[in-house]
Amino acid sequence: AQSVTQLGSHVSVSEGALVLLRCNYSSSVPPYLFWYVQYPNQGLQLLLKYTSAATLVKGINGFEAEFKKSETSFHLTKPSAHMSDAAEYFCAVSGSGGYQKVTFGTGTKLQVIP
Amino acid sequence: DTGVSQDPRHKITKRGQNVTFRCDPISEHNRLYWYRQTLGQGPEFLTYFQNEAQLEKSRLLSDRFSAERPKGSFSTLEIQRTEQGDSAMYLCASSLDGQLSIPYNEQFFGPGTRLTVL
Repeated sequence: AQSVTQLGSHVSVSEGALVLLRCNYSSSVPPYLFWYVQYPNQGLQLLLKYTSAATLVKGINGFEAEFKKSETSFHLTKPSAHMSDAAEYFCAVSGSGGYQKVTFGTGTKLQVIP
Repeated sequence: DTGVSQDPRHKITKRGQNVTFRCDPISEHNRLYWYRQTLGQGPEFLTYFQNEAQLEKSRLLSDRFSAERPKGSFSTLEIQRTEQGDSAMYLCASSLDGQLSIPYNEQFFGPGTRLTVL
């Protein structure tokens, strides 16, 4: 079974500041890990994914995440926050190989302060 | 490619009524998923189809819920005798299976149907 824990349901940063959203995972098999973004009244959009290749994964909109097996973490970062980054972010995990159900975290709402 | 579409976007109903939602996946995608998202939570898996076959159902999917994908294209999710606890956003996603060169087949999400049960 897989699960993810997102630390902090709400995060506020100033425009131009570093964005750090935390995610820790639990998995009995080598995991695939994802970050999704959801804007109000919209579906989810994949930001980036880790599928056992490079441990530092770059995604869209300047976001990146690093897979750290020793810490069971997959934190999402962006060097400089933009007002358009305000949204809810979900970390998710699945097993690797074939079809595996994706399990989502509870989400972190990012507020960007001008 | 117009993406995944869902209809209706919003549904308000009275407790005890039946409701049906529709999902149209990306045209060449053979996998289709339904999720439920309640306020303050991430999406929770309900069920998934490979073509027209329903291959997995979550324990969340009580016997009041039924999903179909009759021709392997669009899907419907019906909730019978709705309860206030059914109020949620119902998300549909689709993906393309069968390409061994791709380690993970990304799920593309629709905008969701928000259900309010009064």
